[in-house]
Amino acid sequence: AQKITQTQPGMFVQEKEAVTLDCTYDTSDPSYGLFWYKQPSSGEMIFLIYQGSYDQQNATEGRYSLNFQKARKSANLVISASQLGDSAMYFCAMREGSISSGSARQLTFGSGTQLTVLP
Amino acid sequence: DVKVTQSSRYLVKRTGEKVFLECVQDMDHENMFWYRQDPGLGLRLIYFSYDVKMKEKGDIPEGYSVSREKKERFSLILESASTNQTSMYLCASKRMGQGHQPQHFGDGTRLSIL
Repeated sequence: AQKITQTQPGMFVQEKEAVTLDCTYDTSDPSYGLFWYKQPSSGEMIFLIYQGSYDQQNATEGRYSLNFQKARKSANLVISASQLGDSAMYFCAMREGSISSGSARQLTFGSGTQLTVLP
Repeated sequence: DVKVTQSSRYLVKRTGEKVFLECVQDMDHENMFWYRQDPGLGLRLIYFSYDVKMKEKGDIPEGYSVSREKKERFSLILESASTNQTSMYLCASKRMGQGHQPQHFGDGTRLSIL
């Protein structure tokens, strides 16, 4: 089974509107973390936001927020007031295991969602 | 700011060649990672390293090896390049034990094997 599923290969949104990018995950580990990255066409991976499995509140970072529904195992990214510069590929990723572990704790990535912001 | 530098943005090699992709980070991070990115598949982990001279296989290690002789440098080696290794390769690093901190990525190397 896929550990991270992003079901929207492509999304379009009008400038200044909000958009939600879906991410569902699968793990039996009670301790995990979820990350969202943005990858513009230039290729670099830009970290956006993090949600830990024990965090009581949904993470927010400027125009980015995370709609974390633990029981549904979903961690959707919400971008408010979309801008043309938000056009990019967006990846959801999961780290399994405790944050204090000394091991590398690799990330598992979804297949990504290509977001296009229309003027 | 963390800086992860990959030696080449674009690289073209021939089948059968031995190919070296270099990655250097400047933040004294213990953990380093090599991924390949293919359309529709996201990023897949090839190898990672806990610390100097330590390495672990990721999900798709076949056809690759790695070297970590110094803490700041993590090299990916294609022993005998094949056309199915044409891909985008991304290197990342992070500090050990801080699972809430993100991995920091380089700009990627677009490798073409002819």
